[in-house]
Amino acid sequence: EAGVVQSPRYKIIEKKQPVAFWCNPISGHNTLYWYLQNLGQGPELLIRYENEEAVDDSQLPKDRFSAERLKGVDSTLKIQPAELGDSAVYLCASSLGLAVDEQFFGPGTRLTVL
Amino acid sequence: QKEVEQNSGPLSVPEGAIASLNCTYSDRVSQSFFWYRQYSGKSPELIMSIYSNGDKEDGRFTAQLNKASQYVSLLIRDSQPSDSATYLCAVKARGSGNTGKLIFGQGTTLQVKP
Repeated sequence: EAGVVQSPRYKIIEKKQPVAFWCNPISGHNTLYWYLQNLGQGPELLIRYENEEAVDDSQLPKDRFSAERLKGVDSTLKIQPAELGDSAVYLCASSLGLAVDEQFFGPGTRLTVL
Repeated sequence: QKEVEQNSGPLSVPEGAIASLNCTYSDRVSQSFFWYRQYSGKSPELIMSIYSNGDKEDGRFTAQLNKASQYVSLLIRDSQPSDSATYLCAVKARGSGNTGKLIFGQGTTLQVKP
């Protein structure tokens, strides 16, 4: 069974530029999560989707971050414009559904903002 | 007080010894508990989940949960150098106003010395 796929794996951009991350969850997983992980810290939830509905986006900085999961499968997380403090690893995870707690992570995208 | 607390370490043990990793959490109504292993530069990998008080064993790993003390631990028997990684404790709460998201500790770095 294929795991969570993310791209790109690495991205270096200058501040004020836009950037987008893509995630394809494990087949059949209805719940998709975007996390942010800073060095030396645990992941922090940015947004959670149940199918195509964002059910928890309270931690998403909506002035510059946006996300979508149009057909309830793939998802895209966008930052526009990027700031120096956005440098981090962006992780996508998926789980079977709301009643199933086990989440599986993709390899992540390491973002560096110069 | 942090919602999920772990000693950042490093915890150093000799090869073949038992490594004991500890985690405390603040939300009394937490229902689900997870241990993830994260190698340097990699994403978190789920290694154990536990939902009820007591012990759960899987190979060399044993997770222990004590809800009364709000404490969860991970024991690694016969530690190997390949176990050297950061271990993240994650808790899924179901308190009021909480959507059941995973809250991660900052992780404990384990070093197994040959």
